[in-house]
Amino acid sequence: DSGVTQTPKHLITATGQRVTLRCSPRSGDLSVYWYQQSLDQGLQFLIQYYNGEERAKGNILERFSAQQFPDLHSELNLSSLELGDSALYFCASSSGFSGTEAFFGQGTRLTVV
Amino acid sequence: QQQVKQSPQSLIVQKGGISIINCAYENTAFDYFPWYQQFPGKGPALLIAIRPDVSEKKEGRFTISFNKSAKQFSLHIMDSQPGDSATYFCAGRAGSYQLTFGKGTKLSVIP
Repeated sequence: DSGVTQTPKHLITATGQRVTLRCSPRSGDLSVYWYQQSLDQGLQFLIQYYNGEERAKGNILERFSAQQFPDLHSELNLSSLELGDSALYFCASSSGFSGTEAFFGQGTRLTVV
Repeated sequence: QQQVKQSPQSLIVQKGGISIINCAYENTAFDYFPWYQQFPGKGPALLIAIRPDVSEKKEGRFTISFNKSAKQFSLHIMDSQPGDSATYFCAGRAGSYQLTFGKGTKLSVIP
């Protein structure tokens, strides 16, 4: 158990809908990272938050947004869903210091039908 | 986004053999190079990591070799076991920013 909790584990929704994925980081970790994993693209970085502030942005679509709350949990919002958004979405957390380990959650499997 | 190139895409090794996975990076700001192991349906888990001031790091059957001048690093799994069958990802990281991953290597260890 990495200590990073993601909910829900599975999500099936229709095209055009909006979903929210939730991540609780390890206790004391200030940084949260979101990744998308699809079969042909590997682990793609979406966005990073550090202590409530957006720190880095990767290949995140405009239809997607995220935030980190004062209690450090984070949510990834995906809207106007398309079939191609079906993927595993992982959250990771780290202390926020250079060179420290990032711990991954078990992921949320999103299926858009 | 700076890339990390990983090869091979898949690897089949006999039990007891050596598995070797290679990675090359472009971003000279990377100062931390971890390898993650992922089993189906699970999140990636850190296996072993190295910093660029060290040329080799060994933990049990797992060894990272690092060549800073060539911007390459590799994972060696000695005495490979069927339980090592998983997907392995190399990554690079600059400071406390995000990990940039290679595309992964699916390792199958056959008895």
